[in-house]
Amino acid sequence: DTEVTQTPKHLVMGMTNKKSLKCEQHMGHRAMYWYKQKAKKPPELMFVYSYEKLSINESVPSRFSPECPNSSLLNLHLHALQPEDSALYLCASSQALGQGDGYTFGSGTRLTVV
Amino acid sequence: GDSVTQMEGPVTLSEEAFLTINCTYTATGYPSLFWYVQYPGEGLQLLLKATKADDKGSNKGFEATYRKETTSFHLEKGSVQVSDSAVYFCALSGIAKVEKLVFGKGMKLTVNP
Repeated sequence: DTEVTQTPKHLVMGMTNKKSLKCEQHMGHRAMYWYKQKAKKPPELMFVYSYEKLSINESVPSRFSPECPNSSLLNLHLHALQPEDSALYLCASSQALGQGDGYTFGSGTRLTVV
Repeated sequence: GDSVTQMEGPVTLSEEAFLTINCTYTATGYPSLFWYVQYPGEGLQLLLKATKADDKGSNKGFEATYRKETTSFHLEKGSVQVSDSAVYFCALSGIAKVEKLVFGKGMKLTVNP
């Protein structure tokens, strides 16, 4: 298995809703990432997990809450989002931090906040 | 800090035309360099990579050579196809213990039949 699987592919949520994005990989990668991508822009790093521990939080608002329950799964919990949070949310993984091998990205969850 | 500068386009080519997308970088030490491609409505796919100077990455007819003397990693393809229409991102990862991909702004390529 050489894929990163993200669910759902599309999500529409209201500003008072609570929802979660899920990401799964079975490549034995020990680093996992959340990126946010706005239209016609490059991805922006949000969070980095290494060996299931949060390693980087790029000053992301607390309405985004990441969780790494085990080495294969990464979640992003969403609460009280704003319309400007609408974007493509990408999960990625790599063998480990500092290896320089690049990431494997999922297909993303397209989130619309109404 | 580390940064990547690439052609932004958009660029439109005819099928079988030659493609070059310029990419230059600024980084301390010897970063790894990557080209990612994003097809419409999809996530990013790693197209090719190079981890040290003079390395050549290649995949699906695309090539790029890590040039330390010019801090460049230009992407080339001799004959593009309609299926190559996508957004192309140049990126680097530094040598710091905590790895972080730094992306260029991306270039949208449209190939017409």
